[in-house]
Amino acid sequence: DQQVKQNSPSLRVQEGRISILNCDYTNSMFDYFLWYKKYPAEGPTFLISISSIKDKNEDGRFTVFLNKSAKHLSLHIVPSQPGDSAVYFCASGGSNYKLTFGKGTLLTVNP
Amino acid sequence: NAGVTQTPKFRILKIGQSMTLQCTQDMNHNYMYWYRQDPGMGLKLIYYSVGAGITDKGEVPNGYNVSRSTTEDFPLRLELAAPSQTSVYFCASSYSLQINTEAFFGQGTRLTVV
Repeated sequence: DQQVKQNSPSLRVQEGRISILNCDYTNSMFDYFLWYKKYPAEGPTFLISISSIKDKNEDGRFTVFLNKSAKHLSLHIVPSQPGDSAVYFCASGGSNYKLTFGKGTLLTVNP
Repeated sequence: NAGVTQTPKFRILKIGQSMTLQCTQDMNHNYMYWYRQDPGMGLKLIYYSVGAGITDKGEVPNGYNVSRSTTEDFPLRLELAAPSQTSVYFCASSYSLQINTEAFFGQGTRLTVV
């Protein structure tokens, strides 16, 4: 029973264009949503988060959008750079410590 | 700062063997976690700790044990290795248990049980 779904295993974009990574969740009790980025042979690193009281959070080239009615969030990277090539995990959780992670999306940004 | 350090990076175990995955952090974080990531899957929480001497089960604790004798160290013990425990293991720490708090991860331990 996947409570957090990343339906696209991979995404390929051209350098300078926008990357849009999507995530759907089923648990309406989730309060916070986070994106982690992972390079090969490294641990995940925190990228950006958003709480359920907001619908947008921006940090430089990274913007996360939350649509609570659709239980959907997306991560926009503009402009995309080759160094952004990594696996991106969506994670969600409620009022406790437990984060539920999606399976991840492999982003490849071509020069 | 080293952050979160895990050892070893790679290990091959035979079925029934035991081992301890080491994790240490130098950020003085009270909260520490062990996750496993199976191929093509997201991370699943095995155990977590809210401070020295206090641990609790996560989503997939069976087959594992933990201890937290100091703030810095949070080792994960596999007593009787099984092929189902073949995975990549990540240790993480954070300064808060709040769900929106950034967690810092180690580089991972790739374990194969044959």
